[in-house]
Amino acid sequence: RKEVEQDPGPFNVPEGATVAFNCTYSNSASQSFFWYRQDCRKEPKLLMSVYSSGNEDGRFTAQLNRASQYISLLIRDSKLSDSATYLCVVKGMDSSYKLIFGSGTRLLVRP
Amino acid sequence: DGGITQSPKYLFRKEGQNVTLSCEQNLNHDAMYWYRQDPGQGLRLIYYSQIVNDFQKGDIAEGYSVSREKKESFPLTVTSAQKNPTAFYLCASSGARLGRETQYFGPGTRLLVL
Repeated sequence: RKEVEQDPGPFNVPEGATVAFNCTYSNSASQSFFWYRQDCRKEPKLLMSVYSSGNEDGRFTAQLNRASQYISLLIRDSKLSDSATYLCVVKGMDSSYKLIFGSGTRLLVRP
Repeated sequence: DGGITQSPKYLFRKEGQNVTLSCEQNLNHDAMYWYRQDPGQGLRLIYYSQIVNDFQKGDIAEGYSVSREKKESFPLTVTSAQKNPTAFYLCASSGARLGRETQYFGPGTRLLVL
């Protein structure tokens, strides 16, 4: 089983739609969680950290469910510019600060 | 501007040749990382370093080597022992304390084998 699993998609949605991605992680002791965005042929960029209480940044909302070991990302009012691959990231539990990356979920927003 | 730079943007390697990818950061980060990304796949960790003069193997270190002689620099050498080096190579850095582990990435180097 992969340490971080995501549905690869693609999710194909019209502009203005609401779309949600889920991600599951295998290590119940994981403490830090992130969503990164990666545009085609570019480097990943931090979208948002995920906190236990859930957090929101504009049209983006991240939730953490520790009991079920999943993280979600909700995008409201999708824009064409939201088209990208969204990477779910979990901090490893050894003494280093390694991050474990999911393979990503691809989002295509159409006009 | 603070950030991470990688060079070159594209690199071509001949069979049997060693090549070195550059990564420099001026974010004053202690930790640095090298990842490899293959088409349609996630990032895989090659090597990481949490402090100068120290580094550890990641999940796919075979055929690669690194050095960390300065805080700002973490070059990656792809040796001839790496049989399938064609990939997108990403360097990242972060703080090395709990709560500061967010990683920031450089623009990447695409390595192609001739």
